Amino acid sequence: EAQVTQNPRYLITVTGKKLTVTCSQNMNHEYMSWYRQDPGLGLRQIYYSMNVEVTDKGDVPEGYKVSRKEKRNFPLILESPSPNQTSLYFCASSPTRSGGADTQYFGPGTRLTVL
Amino acid sequence: AQKVTQAQTEISVVEKEDVTLDCVYETRDTTYYLFWYKQPPSGELVFLIRRNSFDEQNEISGRYSWNFQKSTSSFNFTITASQVVDSAVYFCALRGYSSASKIIFGSGTRLSIRP
Repeated sequence: EAQVTQNPRYLITVTGKKLTVTCSQNMNHEYMSWYRQDPGLGLRQIYYSMNVEVTDKGDVPEGYKVSRKEKRNFPLILESPSPNQTSLYFCASSPTRSGGADTQYFGPGTRLTVL
Repeated sequence: AQKVTQAQTEISVVEKEDVTLDCVYETRDTTYYLFWYKQPPSGELVFLIRRNSFDEQNEISGRYSWNFQKSTSSFNFTITASQVVDSAVYFCALRGYSSASKIIFGSGTRLSIRP
């Protein structure tokens, strides 16, 4: 089944404890992206990647890191999480690196709470 | 700059009523793509429709219809004969050709259908 998977789905952690949220897609998509969803703000793009080893900042990259060593995986890293990073996170992928008309396929979401 | 505005934060209607969700966008691109996504209470994001800027034909899919008007930069979504299962948060999104890597989401409209 074609899908985007994220792990973990739920995570409660404490300030400053490094964490990684994994994202994997099995559709051979070029483009992958991370979003955070906060009440009243919709989804905001954190980072995106148009190809292996190519990543770039979205609108809210502060406090996050990503890597794209393989086409299928795009982990989101929080080196020192803070309470303002408590949010619902979505990973997404789409077929071509240029995007355009591509529809994005979203993972199920990861609800992160930083105490 | 690109922007998507969903001015209706919450809408509540009685089942079987028709309801329209508004979406107004801003972009300098002449080629761009508009999307609607549904987020049911379970939290996942479900793709509903994609429309490119050269296709102003309205689209109908069952009880759902979309009205794209470039003259007013609007891409409104109507649900006819609403059902309780339509209760969800609906997001409108914009992807411009010149910055196809960035997708801008509106803040969402929470739709509640009362039995």
